[in-house]
Amino acid sequence: GAVVSQHPSRVICKSGTSVKIECRSLDFQATTMFWYRQFPKQSLMLMATSNEGSKATYEQGVEKDKFLINHASLTLSTLTVTSAHPEDSSFYICSARVGGQTQYFGPGTRLLVL
Amino acid sequence: ELKVEQNPLFLSMQEGKNYTIYCNYSTTSDRLYWYRQDPGKSLESLFVLLSNGAVKQEGRLMASLDTKARLSTLHITAAVHDLSATYFCAVLESNTGNQFYFGTGTSLTVIP
Repeated sequence: GAVVSQHPSRVICKSGTSVKIECRSLDFQATTMFWYRQFPKQSLMLMATSNEGSKATYEQGVEKDKFLINHASLTLSTLTVTSAHPEDSSFYICSARVGGQTQYFGPGTRLLVL
Repeated sequence: ELKVEQNPLFLSMQEGKNYTIYCNYSTTSDRLYWYRQDPGKSLESLFVLLSNGAVKQEGRLMASLDTKARLSTLHITAAVHDLSATYFCAVLESNTGNQFYFGTGTSLTVIP
């Protein structure tokens, strides 16, 4: 089946620094990738939809200047959390869409901002 | 605003018992997905339900979809400890670019 990877799997950073998370589709090309955030014991909340070669579409309440998304190729999307603060600590999960509706989820990246 | 609600949010059950998790949604979507998430892990796909009346079974889990009632169920038969996890339903909203909207999740604990 289709495989989606994320890197890093876990990151700890100081408050005020920026962190980049990569999402790759390993054996298929994904025209659309999605970024989700999940706080402890809560559901996944869609942050943004990333289309290759165009600007990402952000959900209401998600700051596009804080969460920079780049979808440079059909196999790579990156999420950069700029000037991270402790409240940004969360589990970030990406997914890649193949065809019309099937989505494959990455293993997630756990971010801890000190 | 699209809403996807699960009931119950927390479920503790003894091994060998049966129980049903409910997923209600507010859109007219006819595509519903069930996922399992273990602590600290990402999502594992369980079922994809693509039409009204769809029923799928895998081991001790069975999922069904009633698009007219906007309801999906995940039935657990003779629960075992290995089923302990959080279960999410998700609705595919085609009107907003084929985005997934996840339910609130049901945290299941199976007690030996």
